[in-house]
Amino acid sequence: GAVVSQHPSWVICKSGTSVKIECRSLDFQATTMFWYRQFPKQSLMLMATSNEGSKATYEQGVEKDKFLINHASLTLSTLTVTSAHPEDSSFYICSAGRQGAFSEQYFGPGTRLTVT
Amino acid sequence: QKEVEQDPGPLSVPEGAIVSLNCTYSNSAFQYFMWYRQYSRKGPELLMYTYSSGNKEDGRFTAQVDKSSKYISLFIRDSQPSDSATYLCALRAGNSGYALNFGKGTSLLVTP
Repeated sequence: GAVVSQHPSWVICKSGTSVKIECRSLDFQATTMFWYRQFPKQSLMLMATSNEGSKATYEQGVEKDKFLINHASLTLSTLTVTSAHPEDSSFYICSAGRQGAFSEQYFGPGTRLTVT
Repeated sequence: QKEVEQDPGPLSVPEGAIVSLNCTYSNSAFQYFMWYRQYSRKGPELLMYTYSSGNKEDGRFTAQVDKSSKYISLFIRDSQPSDSATYLCALRAGNSGYALNFGKGTSLLVTP
């Protein structure tokens, strides 16, 4: 159990366009989902935390108008990179929190975004 | 000073060796300790978690926590080439919900 999927796994877009990335918890309900960005040979950098039905909480330095997050259901969160630029090229990973005796984050496989 | 320090390596060992991966931390509020494994271009996979000082064993993996020294370790016995990956420690405070503080990750290469 505790499978998280992301779609697409890889996307190339032109500078100035917008890209939407989906994150789904397949076999559990996730009231909290997280979006991370990871540059090559770097650790995960938390971008924002989203709770179902409410506005996302963004980390300092992350532009909320550029990275739009929607968490409309208990199994789906989306990240839209608006007006993408080459410096937005990165590996974007989502995770979903599953409640239990030990609240765990389960990670998706990631989405590689390349902006040309 | 970062809250979680982890040597990024790379660490190269021969197949069959015992691998020791470590993290140190500065915040006494951290109560939960996790190790994730991340293969190249994949999402992290939870390997082990613990919340008390001492050892926890799972197959070839042993997680060790020393809260007094603020030091955590992951040992891999009989390492295999398939263990080649980046290993990230992640720590969580007791009252922080799901929020994790990650180390930079240590890149491990196990050579046949």
